[in-house]
Amino acid sequence: NAGVTQTPKFQVLKTGQSMTLQCAQDMNHEYMSWYRQDPGMGLRLIHYSVGAGITDQGEVPNGYNVSRSTTEDFPLRLLSAAPSQTSVYFCASSYSFSRFQPQHFGDGTRLSIL
Amino acid sequence: DQQVKQNSPSLSVQEGRISILNCDYTNSMFDYFLWYKKYPAEGPTFLISISSIKDKNEDGRFTVFLNKSAKHLSLHIVPSQPGDSAVYFCAARSRPRGSTLGRLYFGRGTQLTVWP
Repeated sequence: NAGVTQTPKFQVLKTGQSMTLQCAQDMNHEYMSWYRQDPGMGLRLIHYSVGAGITDQGEVPNGYNVSRSTTEDFPLRLLSAAPSQTSVYFCASSYSFSRFQPQHFGDGTRLSIL
Repeated sequence: DQQVKQNSPSLSVQEGRISILNCDYTNSMFDYFLWYKKYPAEGPTFLISISSIKDKNEDGRFTVFLNKSAKHLSLHIVPSQPGDSAVYFCAARSRPRGSTLGRLYFGRGTQLTVWP
């Protein structure tokens, strides 16, 4: 049981490049979400999903796309990387959101945009 | 507009004493409140939660108190240990409602340092 797995752990991009941050969970969790953590800002929600084919925007969605084609995977796409997107990105999941379940987090992807 | 606030960025406590971390919120419709603990280079780990219909929940050394009239919650750690040194995030859940899926709102975190 691997829990929530994020890849890569580190990435350096140039401004304008695109990339996909991967997130996978093996717990058959319905609810998945992406957060970014910046110094002094806590965790801010980017996008989230309550099941395959259902996604919604969070607090800071601009510049990011998501899709949920399977229960297990919830990739986050940066369309055209900007220095303001330098951050640590966390993926989280929980079995259900309608019934309260605390979210499990991955160990993060540290992304630097030059 | 922050709906969950942790006004103390840091707290330093001696080993064996009580640590009290505070959190304030503005949305009276939150139905659950959670505390997460985060070590450097790791993801946040769930610590303890409380339903909005309760005023206290205890799990070993950790107790969360909820004061709904003041829109305030606190996490008590007794006794504090050096391994408790980490960033603690307060979070609150807005329940699914109509077309809104529901989500967690996080505070900015409090760095707890427990010294020997």
